[in-house]
Amino acid sequence: SYELTQPPSVSVSPGQTARITCSGDALPKKYAYWYQQKAGQAPVLVIYEDNKRPSGIPERFSGSSSGTMATLTISGPQVEDEAAYYCYSTDASDHYRGVFGGGTKLTVL
Amino acid sequence: HVQLVQSGAEVKEPGASMKVSCKASGYTFTNYHINWVRQAPGQGLEWMGIISPNTASYAQKFQGRVSMTMETSTSTVYMEMRSLTSEDTAVYYCARDPFDSSGYSLGFDYWGQGTLVIVSS
Repeated sequence: SYELTQPPSVSVSPGQTARITCSGDALPKKYAYWYQQKAGQAPVLVIYEDNKRPSGIPERFSGSSSGTMATLTISGPQVEDEAAYYCYSTDASDHYRGVFGGGTKLTVL
Repeated sequence: HVQLVQSGAEVKEPGASMKVSCKASGYTFTNYHINWVRQAPGQGLEWMGIISPNTASYAQKFQGRVSMTMETSTSTVYMEMRSLTSEDTAVYYCARDPFDSSGYSLGFDYWGQGTLVIVSS
């Protein structure tokens, strides 16, 4: 079955830039989506269709995709951005069949 | 305003079945897909399946064990899973999924509050 691979953890200082990657064979053909999940809460969509930001999501969140890798970038992360981030995409042969990456825990030191 | 309200927590014995509901309000129910996502304790998100009036698709892992139904008269989606084991202990979420003119997802924009299901003897 199709898989998306993320690093388990990323650490960054508030003034730096955090980059979380997601690799998958179908990403050249399928969009990537990113969800933020804080402890005890439901996930929140922060990026859709590779690089679009829903209303209400701060501009410091951006997304990109090239080849088999999608990247979530947080420019100047805040302490409140500390959370788990999950990429999501769909199977190459069935765009209704989805899959999440394993998740990346972002620590803002 | 958009709301997805899920049924309450359940405790099930191994081998039993579960049925979780997700009642939608605040939007045109039939214009959106609903996805089901689960999260085992301390683990990541796991996509289970999608349903709309015209389609249903399930993750390979759950084929034959899960069924999702839509009741348009009450704007409610149900997710039923059979032959439960302890590995099915998780929080189960429903999530609204708008889509573009080509049928591609625009991302899960509203989520239910989650339903904890514990499978234990």
